[in-house]
Amino acid sequence: AQSVAQPEDQVNVAEGNPLTVKCTYSVSGNPYLFWYVQYPNRGLQFLLKYITGDNLVKGSYGFEAEFNKSQTSFHLKKPSALVSDSALYFCAVRDPSGAGSYQLTFGKGTKLSVIP
Amino acid sequence: DTEVTQTPKHLVMGMTNKKSLKCEQHMGHRAMYWYKQKAKKPPELMFVYSYEKLSINESVPSRFSPECPNSSLLNLHLHALQPEDSALYLCASSETGATANEKLFFGSGTQLSVL
Repeated sequence: AQSVAQPEDQVNVAEGNPLTVKCTYSVSGNPYLFWYVQYPNRGLQFLLKYITGDNLVKGSYGFEAEFNKSQTSFHLKKPSALVSDSALYFCAVRDPSGAGSYQLTFGKGTKLSVIP
Repeated sequence: DTEVTQTPKHLVMGMTNKKSLKCEQHMGHRAMYWYKQKAKKPPELMFVYSYEKLSINESVPSRFSPECPNSSLLNLHLHALQPEDSALYLCASSETGATANEKLFFGSGTQLSVL
């Protein structure tokens, strides 16, 4: 079975500082990893994904994530946080070798607050 | 057009009512999904349609009935719901649903309150 852990319920960061939102995963095969962001009263928006290749993935709005196979992690990062980045962030994983490749398993979410 | 449109945005219904949620996309996607999301929780998969056929039903109670009239439309029919069914219902789509690396496009959701 596949699973995702986001160890922090909330992350606070000052505007202009770098931010990191942590994610670790567990799958039996090679993972497909995703980050989504959800603004209040809205659906989820895709930020970026790791499928294969370069461990550093660049995505929307200046976000990037680093895939680390040995640590089974896929942390989301941004060099300089904006107040508008404040939202709920979800890490998600798919195991393409699993019986149900439709199954996108989400972490519990991390609320990011960027303080002006 | 890269939008998934859901209507209504808000819905209040009694436990004896029948109502429907609607979802529409014009991206040519062939997979459509219903998710349920409780406040401050991750989305939970309910149903998946692929090429207009129901592919996955995640053991959802029969008071929720999905329908996919065509490749652009997805409905969720609601009947005899319980207060614990109150949640944000999200529709999503992806290109085919058959490839694990596909990203999902989500609608803004319908906030449902069952009284």
